[in-house]
Amino acid sequence: QKEVEQNSGPLSVPEGAIASLNCTYSDRGSQSFFWYRQYSGKSPELIMFIYSNGDKEDGRFTAQLNKASQYVSLLIRDSQPSDSATYLCAVNPWGYGQNFVFGPGTRLSVLP
Amino acid sequence: DVKVTQSSRYLVKRTGEKVFLECVQDMDHENMFWYRQDPGLGLRLIYFSYDVKMKEKGDIPEGYSVSREKKERFSLILESASTNQTSMYLCASSFNSEAFFGQGTRLTVV
Repeated sequence: QKEVEQNSGPLSVPEGAIASLNCTYSDRGSQSFFWYRQYSGKSPELIMFIYSNGDKEDGRFTAQLNKASQYVSLLIRDSQPSDSATYLCAVNPWGYGQNFVFGPGTRLSVLP
Repeated sequence: DVKVTQSSRYLVKRTGEKVFLECVQDMDHENMFWYRQDPGLGLRLIYFSYDVKMKEKGDIPEGYSVSREKKERFSLILESASTNQTSMYLCASSFNSEAFFGQGTRLTVV
């Protein structure tokens, strides 16, 4: 059974701080990695994806991937109350265009 | 923008009813998925499809079936609804590994 694990939280950070969200996965052959944000009662929306080891930055968001450690993280700089949501890590175990395995999500609360 | 549309936002059905959840995507994606999402359990894959008339079981297919007669439409069928199928159902489509979700259908079986 391919698994993706996340700390369920809640993770609370003050406004303006850096929020760090972590994810580990079991399938060493996984090719692509995704972070989704889900507001309460809404469907998940894609924030970022990363395929290669290292960092990928997009505005206030940075995704970090370490395939040797089977670890992917999401950093949110200058956190805002509007960032309060559940963040889902997703892994594509079989590469291009195939299935996804989702983690249970980490609930983030940014305190004003 | 990719649009994935689910036919209903909220549904209430009786135990034993046959229930159809419809999903349509407008971007010619080959891959489509049905998930259910429950508190504490996250997103669980029910069925997915790589092409018209093709379907693959996910992690929890029991009690469900699917139909994909056209590329843009993927239907989830609850053959005989039960109370343990009360959940949020999410449809998704994908191309080049990125999945796009519909707005979700909150199904309550009474």
